[in-house]
Amino acid sequence: EDQVTQSPEALRLQEGESSSLNCSYTVSGLRGLFWYRQDPGKGPEFLFTLYSAGEEKEKERLKATLTKKESFLHITAPKPEDSATYLCAVQETGTASKLTFGTGTRLQVTL
Amino acid sequence: DTEVTQTPKHLVMGMTNKKSLKCEQHMGHRAMYWYKQKAKKPPELMFVYSYEKLSINESVPSRFSPECPNSSLLNLHLHALQPEDSALYLCASSPRGQITTDTQYFGPGTRLTVL
Repeated sequence: EDQVTQSPEALRLQEGESSSLNCSYTVSGLRGLFWYRQDPGKGPEFLFTLYSAGEEKEKERLKATLTKKESFLHITAPKPEDSATYLCAVQETGTASKLTFGTGTRLQVTL
Repeated sequence: DTEVTQTPKHLVMGMTNKKSLKCEQHMGHRAMYWYKQKAKKPPELMFVYSYEKLSINESVPSRFSPECPNSSLLNLHLHALQPEDSALYLCASSPRGQITTDTQYFGPGTRLTVL
């Protein structure tokens, strides 16, 4: 069965303090790994899709990377508005479009 | 434009009520999804429609009944729900049918409370 594990569960950073979030996955074949941001009471907002090991994508202060067993979401010089829950999800070969989500990392960025 | 809209934003219903949730997208997407999300938990897939046909039902109880009247609209009919069904119900869509790795775009959700 798919397993997607995110760490840490919660992270508190000061503004400007860079860090990384981890998403580890165990699937028989990865078709795609997705990162979303979710604010309280709202739907997930798409950030990145990664398909193969070694792939990297960037958007503003965020950079996502992928290896054969895990993905990292690097946050450079975060701002308070980056506070949210960050979810990763995997799509396994043979499961059509089903996404299996991790439990998320709750990020709080303070002044 | 990657907007998926959902109505209502909030819904309170009794266990004997019948209600419906509505989801719309005008991006020409051909796959639409219903997810359920409990507090501090990740979204869990309920149903997938691909080209307006139900393609995945994740063993969801029959008190939840999905409907896809056309390619832009997805409904979730609710009947005889239980208090444990209280959750955020999310709709999502993706461009092509289900056999792809297309990105799924989510709506804002409907917060459902069952009394």
